[in-house]
Amino acid sequence: DGGITQSPKYLFRKEGQNVTLSCEQNLNHDAMYWYRQDPGQGLRLIYYSQIVNDFQKGDIAEGYSVSREKKESFPLTVTSAQKNPTAFYLCASSSRIYGYTFGSGTRLTVV
Amino acid sequence: AQSVTQLGSHVSVSEGALVLLRCNYSSSVPPYLFWYVQYPNQGLQLLLKYTTGATLVKGINGFEAEFKKSETSFHLTKPSAHMSDAAEYFCAVSETGYGGATNKLIFGTGTLLAVQP
Repeated sequence: DGGITQSPKYLFRKEGQNVTLSCEQNLNHDAMYWYRQDPGQGLRLIYYSQIVNDFQKGDIAEGYSVSREKKESFPLTVTSAQKNPTAFYLCASSSRIYGYTFGSGTRLTVV
Repeated sequence: AQSVTQLGSHVSVSEGALVLLRCNYSSSVPPYLFWYVQYPNQGLQLLLKYTTGATLVKGINGFEAEFKKSETSFHLTKPSAHMSDAAEYFCAVSETGYGGATNKLIFGTGTLLAVQP
């Protein structure tokens, strides 16, 4: 079945560490997105990519980095510069015909 | 810039009662509007969307929404709530109103629906 796979589902990070969240899709979608979700704040866009080797900052990109070396993959790195990384992270992809598809999310906790 | 306002962060209804979740949007171009549902620790699932044409949109699980341009609203309704409807609901607008492949979605802050037995 086609879809988006996010891994891991739960992730723990120590202060000062970088961590990378995986997002893979087999839907052949051109565009991919990373959203951050905090209680009461909805979803906020971190980064998005429309084509391979190209990506743009969203509303809250500080402390995050991404890459888009393959159409299927859009990993997100949460760097030590992100002061409050504890959140639920959602990856999505989209196409003109089928619209958006979301992954099941990664819950990141700083310990 | 486009924006979405969801009135009521928490809504509680009795099983069998009408569900009404409110969403107002701001957009300088004709919007594409969406409602998503999220169960705990899961991704978002599309309930319904409005692009063009008929302003009353029917979605999955018995939900529907009506696009009212004059009121800039896109409220979500369901005639009779079921226990399985308890979840968080998000209204969203496509940023440029095009709704194409690479247009960003702008989300509201969400409404948590509780269904009482």
